[in-house]
Amino acid sequence: EPEVTQTPSHQVTQMGQEVILRCVPISNHLYFYWYRQILGQKVEFLVSFYNNEISEKSEIFDDQFSVERPDGSNFTLKIRSTKLEDSAMYFCASSAGTITNNEQFFGPGTRLTVL
Amino acid sequence: AQSVAQPEDQVNVAEGNPLTVKCTYSVSGNPYLFWYVQYPNRGLQFLLKYITGDNLVKGSYGFEAEFNKSQTSFHLKKPSALVSDSALYFCAVSNFNKFYFGSGTKLNVKP
Repeated sequence: EPEVTQTPSHQVTQMGQEVILRCVPISNHLYFYWYRQILGQKVEFLVSFYNNEISEKSEIFDDQFSVERPDGSNFTLKIRSTKLEDSAMYFCASSAGTITNNEQFFGPGTRLTVL
Repeated sequence: AQSVAQPEDQVNVAEGNPLTVKCTYSVSGNPYLFWYVQYPNRGLQFLLKYITGDNLVKGSYGFEAEFNKSQTSFHLKKPSALVSDSALYFCAVSNFNKFYFGSGTKLNVKP
C-alpha cells in the first residue's frame, strides 16, 4: 500500500540554524501539506501546496518557513532560522484532492528539537 | 469558518464495552468530516470519513461514526472496545486546502 514517507525521523539543531524536512508524498497525489504538533497539543495546519504553488497558509507559516517541490517526488519544508518554539513534530500529508478521495494521508513525522 | 470541537480530553472505557468519542463541528457549506487515530510516536492514520450519503459510516478496525446534521455532530463509536484501541483520536473537518483538527481525545481502554 502506498504511503507518505518523511526523513529524517528526528532532527536536532541549534537555535538559528536552518533545517530542511523532507517528504515523499504518495505518487499520484496532487495536494501536499505540512502540519505541526507541539508536544501534547493539537495538530496545526501550516501550509498546503498545489500545482507548484502555495494554495493556503496559516499565520504560523511566516517568512521563516518555505516549501518547495524540487523534483517530481520530494516535498520539502525549510525553516531558515530555527527558534526554540519550533520544536515539534512535523507531519507531511498528501491527498488526491477529488471530492470522493480527499482524505489526507500522513507521514510518520519528523521530530524537530531546537536547542 | 470551519472548526471542530472535541469536548472530552480523555475517555475511559473497559474492554468489551461500547465506546463513544464525541465531536461537534462548525462549517460553512457541506461538511467533509474525518476521524484519525494517532498511536504514540506515530503519524495520524485515517479511520473513516463522511462526504455525503448514509449518515452512518464504517471505517477501519471496527470503528464507525454517525453524522448528525441537526446536532452538527460526528461521534466516533465502536460496539466493543479493545485494549489496543487505546490511542489519541482526532476529529477533523476539511475543505480541499486544509484540515481543521480538533484538540484530540485520549482513549484509554482498560482490560
